[in-house]
Amino acid sequence: EAEVAQSPRYKITEKSQAVAFWCDPISGHATLYWYRQILGQGPELLVQFQDESVVDDSQLPKDRFSAERLKGVDSTLKIQPAELGDSAMYLCASSFGYTGELFFGEGSRLTVL
Amino acid sequence: DQQVKQNSPSLSVQEGRISILNCDYTNSMFDYFLWYKKYPAEGPTFLISISSIKDKNEDGRFTVFLNKSAKHLSLHIVPSQPGDSAVYFCAASARNNNDMRFGAGTRLTVKP
Repeated sequence: EAEVAQSPRYKITEKSQAVAFWCDPISGHATLYWYRQILGQGPELLVQFQDESVVDDSQLPKDRFSAERLKGVDSTLKIQPAELGDSAMYLCASSFGYTGELFFGEGSRLTVL
Repeated sequence: DQQVKQNSPSLSVQEGRISILNCDYTNSMFDYFLWYKKYPAEGPTFLISISSIKDKNEDGRFTVFLNKSAKHLSLHIVPSQPGDSAVYFCAASARNNNDMRFGAGTRLTVKP
């Protein structure tokens, strides 16, 4: 069964350091999403791509977060510098079209010390 | 802003009984609703969805009910099984924009 791949699964870093997460969506899925889930809360959309274009990044803290999907396939989410409040699960998801159910990866858990 | 609310953080039911998970939304533009299930250390997995043109959708033991006038939906699991123990997220979006909003989740525990 096709899956959304994410790495690393776990990342521990010190504040002010840079961190990057990678996501490979299900083959053929044009839409890719990065969500952040803080413990006890639901996933919150950070950025949405349609192919290589950003559709929505209104919730992305652009002073420290960046995301790219250069060839319209895999994607990288970067945080620089990391802050204590960035500790969360970072979930990548993809969908075939612009609407419909999302398929999530297993997530990357970030701990900032 | 919390456009999707799940007011019960946890629910415990006995195996074989019905589990009812509730969700409320505020944005009248939402017309597509989904339930996701999440096990620890895994990403959410899609469970069932409903379009606003329907008021009920059923898939095996899982049924979702939508009350548009009350902006309320619920997930019924009958009969509940221990393997159903997980966190359930309600999600909503407008079909012309897949900006999917999630509730905070309800942790369901099904006791043998």
